Amino acid sequence: DVKVTQSSRYLVKRTGEKVFLECVQDMDHENMFWYRQDPGLGLRLIYFSYDVKMKEKGDIPEGYSVSREKKERFSLILESASTNQTSMYLCASIVTGLASHEQFFGPGTRLTVL
Amino acid sequence: QKEVEQNSGPLSVPEGAIASLNCTYSDRGSQSFFWYRQYSGKSPELIMSIYSNGDKEDGRFTAQLNKASQYVSLLIRDSQPSDSATYLCAVKPGSSASKIIFGSGTRLSIRP
Repeated sequence: DVKVTQSSRYLVKRTGEKVFLECVQDMDHENMFWYRQDPGLGLRLIYFSYDVKMKEKGDIPEGYSVSREKKERFSLILESASTNQTSMYLCASIVTGLASHEQFFGPGTRLTVL
Repeated sequence: QKEVEQNSGPLSVPEGAIASLNCTYSDRGSQSFFWYRQYSGKSPELIMSIYSNGDKEDGRFTAQLNKASQYVSLLIRDSQPSDSATYLCAVKPGSSASKIIFGSGTRLSIRP
């Protein structure tokens, strides 16, 4: 069974803090993704990575950065958290080459920035 | 125009009836199409994928794809209260090796 885990289910931070969200997958997937999900806006891609140390901007990268030093781990960093970054953050992973292209999601981190 | 469009709902369907969820997409080169189900407070889970025109059935679920009309739908037969969830349509654009575009989801409510 593919497992994608995220470091926290709930997180409360203050404006201006640096925030790290960690995601780990145990299936040797090349591709990993960070999304945020807000009511009425659906899932929006922040960043994705197709290999170690490789990253690409998604649709809403502003205010975020990422790090992928190991294949199994993909971190999302909020350099200086702001209240408009209060959201549900979802990590996903996928292996290329399979016909299904199914994305496996982690349980999500609900971040509140005060 | 959004890349993947869905009616946000809520769509209310009586128990035992057929629920029909629709999705349109803008990239004509798209080859892979997915339906995810998301319960409140949970993360999305894949329930159907479809790659060629026509129907694909899996239990009570049928996915329908019409590439000429750029339209994909999900039918749920014999709807159950446990089917109440938000259904996300997702499309892999032709130009993308792995990126998937999600619609904003349709909220489905099955009333007893």
